[in-house]
Amino acid sequence: KAGVTQTPRYLIKTRGQQVTLSCSPISGHRSVSWYQQTPGQGLQFLFEYFSETQRNKGNFPGRFSGRQFSNSRSEMNVSTLELGDSALYLCASSDRTGLVIQYFGPGTRLLVL
Amino acid sequence: GESVGLHLPTLSVQEGDNSIINCAYSNSASDYFIWYKQESGKGPQFIIDIRSNMDKRQGQRVTVLLNKTVKHLSLQIAATQPGDSAVYFCAENSLRVFSGGYNKLIFGAGTRLAVHP
Repeated sequence: KAGVTQTPRYLIKTRGQQVTLSCSPISGHRSVSWYQQTPGQGLQFLFEYFSETQRNKGNFPGRFSGRQFSNSRSEMNVSTLELGDSALYLCASSDRTGLVIQYFGPGTRLLVL
Repeated sequence: GESVGLHLPTLSVQEGDNSIINCAYSNSASDYFIWYKQESGKGPQFIIDIRSNMDKRQGQRVTVLLNKTVKHLSLQIAATQPGDSAVYFCAENSLRVFSGGYNKLIFGAGTRLAVHP
């Protein structure tokens, strides 16, 4: 099976802009979670989508949002970008929700100037 | 809180030696633990997992030990190879505390493993 894919892999934006990142989970996986990774804060949970519904959300401002489509593909959006949003954004998928293994994609590296 | 610290400890080992990477987790109610390996420029890669009703689990060249009394997790890598060089993260999940029944991993700060020939 193909792994989790994320597009784009690299992105440069300026403050105030918005950005949309895409994630395609492993075939058959219905849960998609998003994480932000920075040198200062490490890996932090953003949100999880399962069957097109947001099931859980981390401690991030409302500028961070997401959605999931009927084919389980997911997008996350960050509006009004700030310098501190520069990070590696990781998507992880699993076949169900709960205490299960999450498989990560390669990430999208976002740089905000 | 759920944020992780700034410090990223480094473990340096000789090729062929055994490595032990330690992790102190945050919540005694955590039900599930995973170890991930992250190489430069890549996403975290699953290594091994363990549930809270177990204290040891073995995989290929890896063993995870769980000590719930002191909230400590360790990853042992046998016969460490240069390809094992990476950052290793432990992660925890608790249906009751963190996630309300869904996927939400809380990650540790990570440990960098450097394998020298």
